Amino acid sequence: EAAVTQSPRSKVAVTGGKVTLSCHQTNNHDYMYWYRQDTGHGLRLIHYSYVADSTEKGDIPDGYKASRPSQENFSLILELASLSQTAVYFCASSDAAANTEVFFGKGTRLTVV
Amino acid sequence: AQSVDQPDAHVTLYEGASLELRCSYSYSAAPYLFWYVQYPGQSLQFLLKYITGDAVVKGTKGFEAEFRKSNSSFNLKKSPAHWSDSAKYFCALEGQGTGSKLSFGKGAKLTVSP
Repeated sequence: EAAVTQSPRSKVAVTGGKVTLSCHQTNNHDYMYWYRQDTGHGLRLIHYSYVADSTEKGDIPDGYKASRPSQENFSLILELASLSQTAVYFCASSDAAANTEVFFGKGTRLTVV
Repeated sequence: AQSVDQPDAHVTLYEGASLELRCSYSYSAAPYLFWYVQYPGQSLQFLLKYITGDAVVKGTKGFEAEFRKSNSSFNLKKSPAHWSDSAKYFCALEGQGTGSKLSFGKGAKLTVSP
């Protein structure tokens, strides 16, 4: 079964600190995504990647960087964490084809204090 | 630009009733439309998708959705509802040529009472 694993599952970070969220998929998918979910909102796309060593900006990339060192791994980096980045972050993967099912990880609850 | 609207943030009904969760979209071309479900404490799971063809698409867990181009809607339906259907439901749109990047609605929290 398709699997997307996120770590850590929850984290408390200090304002101004650096945070790295990791994602690993065993689906052999080319596409990977990072979304954030805020209370009362749907998911919003931060960064995505079509291929290893390449990342693209999504709809809300400000304050975030992404890294795709291999097909299986995709990281989201907050260089200077801010209170407004408190949210639940979801990693996801999908096949190269369009209009296909996207598989989501279980999410990382990030609290910035 | 593309957007998805789910006008009902909370929906409550009794077990055995029919459920319908509304979704409307804005997109200049033919959209690809999806419904995902998020059970408490879990991640999002795929329910169904509309790509082209028949207006009514069937998905997992007994759900179906009807695509209506005339009013840009893609409503999710199930009858009868079961208490285990209690979850948050998200409608999503994928624009043509955008890969699998999804634009999500804000979601609808469904509560089905026994």
